[in-house]
Amino acid sequence: EDKVVQSPLSLVVHEGDTVTLNCSYEVTNFRSLLWYKQEKKAPTFLFMLTSSGIEKKSGRLSSILDKKELSSILNITATQTGDSAIYLCAIMNRDDKIIFGKGTRLHILP
Amino acid sequence: DGGITQSPKYLFRKEGQNVTLSCEQNLNHDAMYWYRQDPGQGLRLIYYSQIVNDFQKGDIAEGYSVSREKKESFPLTVTSAQKNPTAFYLCASPEVFMNTEAFFGQGTRLTVV
Repeated sequence: EDKVVQSPLSLVVHEGDTVTLNCSYEVTNFRSLLWYKQEKKAPTFLFMLTSSGIEKKSGRLSSILDKKELSSILNITATQTGDSAIYLCAIMNRDDKIIFGKGTRLHILP
Repeated sequence: DGGITQSPKYLFRKEGQNVTLSCEQNLNHDAMYWYRQDPGQGLRLIYYSQIVNDFQKGDIAEGYSVSREKKESFPLTVTSAQKNPTAFYLCASPEVFMNTEAFFGQGTRLTVV
């Protein structure tokens, strides 16, 4: 059964800190790994990763995939209160099934 | 603008009643998905459809039904057999051929009263 496990489930840090969120997976026929940020309603897309070892960056956020370890990390540097959200990791397999983890709830203290 | 529209935003249902949640997309995508979100549970896949007139069960399909008669539409019916239907429901649609991210609707919050 395909599975996505995120850790930690909850994290509280101070503004300016750097955080690393983890995502590990078990999937038959991996196609891609996706990261989303969810603040109120609809998740918003952050990154899609398909190849191992290639870092994707967007401002203070970056992510990398390790297919050998079946995992990915999402880094956020110089955190701001606006980064407070639930961060969701998902995998898509080659049957087009998209499975999400439980998410990491990140809270940034001013 | 292309996107996914879910309606209604809020829905109240009496126990024992069926209710249908709407999801419409004008992205011209073949694939559409339904997820349920409960506090602390992330998104759990209910049903997904890769093409018109075809759909597959996700991990928590019991008590739900779907149809895909048109490319643009993928309605979800929450039946009376669903024992705990109060949740936030999200519809999504990726362009799987191009392997792009899934776009989400704004969700429907269903409450059973």
